[in-house]
Parts: sequence; structure tokens; C-alpha cells
Amino acid sequence: NAGVTQTPKFRILKIGQSMTLQCTQDMNHNYMYWYRQDPGMGLKLIYYSVGAGITDKGEVPNGYNVSRSTTEDFPLRLELAAPSQTSVYFCASSYSPAFQEGYTFGSGTRLTVV
Amino acid sequence: ILNVEQSPQSLHVQEGDSTNFTCSFPSSNFYALHWYRWETAKSPEALFVMTLNGDEKKKGRISATLNTKEGYSYLYIKGSQPEDSATYLCACLDSGSRLTFGEGTQLTVNP
Repeated sequence: NAGVTQTPKFRILKIGQSMTLQCTQDMNHNYMYWYRQDPGMGLKLIYYSVGAGITDKGEVPNGYNVSRSTTEDFPLRLELAAPSQTSVYFCASSYSPAFQEGYTFGSGTRLTVV
Repeated sequence: ILNVEQSPQSLHVQEGDSTNFTCSFPSSNFYALHWYRWETAKSPEALFVMTLNGDEKKKGRISATLNTKEGYSYLYIKGSQPEDSATYLCACLDSGSRLTFGEGTQLTVNP
């Protein structure tokens, strides 16, 4: 079982460039989430999805877009990268958000915008 | 989005000490409480998910309690070991399926 797979692991972007952070899970989880972790801070929710075709904003959605065309994939798109988007990004998935196994997290993508 | 607070921010204990951390959250719009363990350079790993007032869960030397009426949860570690050193995150789930994390308690266990 691969669990939650995030690619790339590291990326350096120039200001104004765009990129897509990939997230795939093979556990048939309906719920998927994108968080960012800034230095010395906790995890902030960017976007989440409760199933294919359904997405919703979290706490810090500005500057990002998502799509959920399949159960397995939940890519996060950055348009016009800004230095404020320098962060570590985590994707997570869950069978159900109150399920006793909790969320399964990917290994993270470290993004630097220069 | 719920406001989840954890205390203390950091904690240093000696091997063998027992310790506990606090997570507080608004009791309205509460749906579930999660605890995660996050080691440096790794991803958060789920410890417990609790939903009912008075819930108590245990995994080895780690246990947690939940009070939804007053809006707090405690995480206890009995007989801390150096391998328990990590950041412990709590997170609160609201009825809209959003899981909001606190900023964590960083635990260091000195041998």
C-alpha cells in the first residue's frame, strides 16, 4: 500500500511562475485535504474535498486552486507564485474525518519561491 | 474555522517522567478531536480520534481524554522515553468536515 503520495518533494519557483503539486492516494478515501506549514506554525487548511467533483475552501485558499476529478487525485495549483507561498505543503486523506484511524499524510512538498 | 489552542508550546522532561499537554477548543460546532504525533522530517501520524464526551483512549504509554462540554482534551505520556520526543498536534473537526490544527506542543525527552 503506497498510502498518500506527493510529488515533487522539493521545488524552487521564481516569482510569478505557476506549478501543480500532485497528491494521489490508493486507499479509496473520499476525503482529501491540503495543508501548509510555515516555520514555527501549525498546519493551515488550504482546500479540502469530501468526494470526487466536490471541493471547498479552507482557512488560507488565496493564491491556490484545486480540482478533484477522481477519487484518487487531488492536485493543488499555484498560479503566479509569491514569496508568501514559500512553505511545506502536506496532502492528507481519510475514509471519514471522524474515523478512528485519523488522517493519513503524505511526506510533504517543500516549496521555495524566490 | 475553529480556534484550537495547545499548551505548553514546548516542554523538556527527563527520561522516566510522566507528562501531559492540553488542547482547548470551542465546544460549539464540535464533531471530533484528533491527536497526532509529528517527528522531525516525517509526516504527522494519527494517535487518537475521539468524538464522545468522556472518551478515554490509550495506546501503550500514551493516553488521551476528552471533555466536549468544557472544550478541552488532555494527552498523557507515562514514563517518557527519548523516542517520545516529537511535536504533538491536536486538531478539532467541525460539522463542515474541516479539521483545524493547533500549533502543537514540542516535547523533548532528555536521556
